[in-house]
Amino acid sequence: NAGVTQTPKFRVLKTGQSMTLLCAQDMNHEYMYWYRQDPGMGLRLIHYSVGEGTTAKGEVPDGYNVSRLKKQNFLLGLESAAPSQTSVYFCASSQLAGRYNEQFFGPGTRLTVL
Amino acid sequence: DQQVKQNSPSLSVQEGRISILNCDYTNSMFDYFLWYKKYPAEGPTFLISISSIKDKNEDGRFTVFLNKSAKHLSLHIVPSQPGDSAVYFCAARFGSGNTGKLIFGQGTTLQVKP
Repeated sequence: NAGVTQTPKFRVLKTGQSMTLLCAQDMNHEYMYWYRQDPGMGLRLIHYSVGEGTTAKGEVPDGYNVSRLKKQNFLLGLESAAPSQTSVYFCASSQLAGRYNEQFFGPGTRLTVL
Repeated sequence: DQQVKQNSPSLSVQEGRISILNCDYTNSMFDYFLWYKKYPAEGPTFLISISSIKDKNEDGRFTVFLNKSAKHLSLHIVPSQPGDSAVYFCAARFGSGNTGKLIFGQGTTLQVKP
């Protein structure tokens, strides 16, 4: 039982390049989330999904797209990377409408955009 | 508009003493509050939670207090141990919409000195 895994762990992009971050969970969770963490800003929600085939915008969705084609996977895409997207990205998942929706986090992806 | 605020970026305490981490919020629609702990190069892990209808929840060395009238919660760690050194995030969940979304504070870095 690996929990939540993220691929890749590190990536360096040039401005304008594109990439996809992959999140996978093996806990059969309905809900999945993508966050970014920046110094002094905490964790900010980019996009989330409440089930297979669904996606919704979070606090900071601009410049990102997501897809949830399979229940266990949640992909985050950057179509044209910008230096402002340099950050650490975390994926999380949670059970459907749990008592307090405890979210389980992956180890993170450190992205640098030059 | 920061709905969840942790105004102390860092805290240093001596091993064996009490650590008190504080969190303020503005939205009275939050129904659950959670604390997460994060070590470097790892994802956040759930620590303890409290429902908005409670004023205290205890789990071993960790106790969370909620003061709804002041829109303030605090995490007490007694006694503090060097292994508690980490970044602590306060998070709040919206009561409506059933999306499981959490709003995180900026985080407080706790250092416990041996």
